[in-house]
Amino acid sequence: DSGVTQTPKHLITATGQRVTLRCSPRSGDLSVYWYQQSLDQGLQFLIQYYNGEERAKGNILERFSAQQFPDLHSELNLSSLELGDSALYFCASSVVWGSEAFFGQGTRLTVV
Amino acid sequence: QQQVKQSPQSLIVQKGGISIINCAYENTAFDYFPWYQQFPGKGPALLIAIRPDVSEKKEGRFTISFNKSAKQFSLHIMDSQPGDSATYFCAASKDNTDKLIFGTGTRLQVFP
Repeated sequence: DSGVTQTPKHLITATGQRVTLRCSPRSGDLSVYWYQQSLDQGLQFLIQYYNGEERAKGNILERFSAQQFPDLHSELNLSSLELGDSALYFCASSVVWGSEAFFGQGTRLTVV
Repeated sequence: QQQVKQSPQSLIVQKGGISIINCAYENTAFDYFPWYQQFPGKGPALLIAIRPDVSEKKEGRFTISFNKSAKQFSLHIMDSQPGDSATYFCAASKDNTDKLIFGTGTRLQVFP
């Protein structure tokens, strides 16, 4: 158990809908990252937050947004969902930047 | 320049053999090189990591070899076991941005 908690584990939704994925980092970790894992794209970095502020952005679509709250948990919002958004979404956390990142178990999103 | 190239895509090794996975990078600003192990349905788990000030790091049966001039690093799994069967990802990051750039993964199968 990495100490990073993601909910829900599985999510099935229809195209055009909006979903929110939640991540609780390890106790004491200030940095949260979101990654998307699909079969053909591997692990793609989406976005990083550090202590509530956006720190780095990767290949995140405009339909996707995220935030980190004062209690350090983070949410990834995916809207206007398309079939191609079906993937595993992972959250990872680390104490500060440049240190080890620990991954949660992921949320498997299926868009039908 | 942000890419990390990983090979082979898949690897079949007999129990007791040596598994070798290679990665190459372009960005000389990368200064942190971890390897992650991922079992089906689980999140990636940090296995071992190295920084460029050393050429080799060993932890149990797992060794990272690092060649700074060639911009390559590799994972060696000695005495491979069936329980090592998983997907292995190399990654790289630079402290000032922190996000991990992942290789495309290597699916390792160890047969008894």
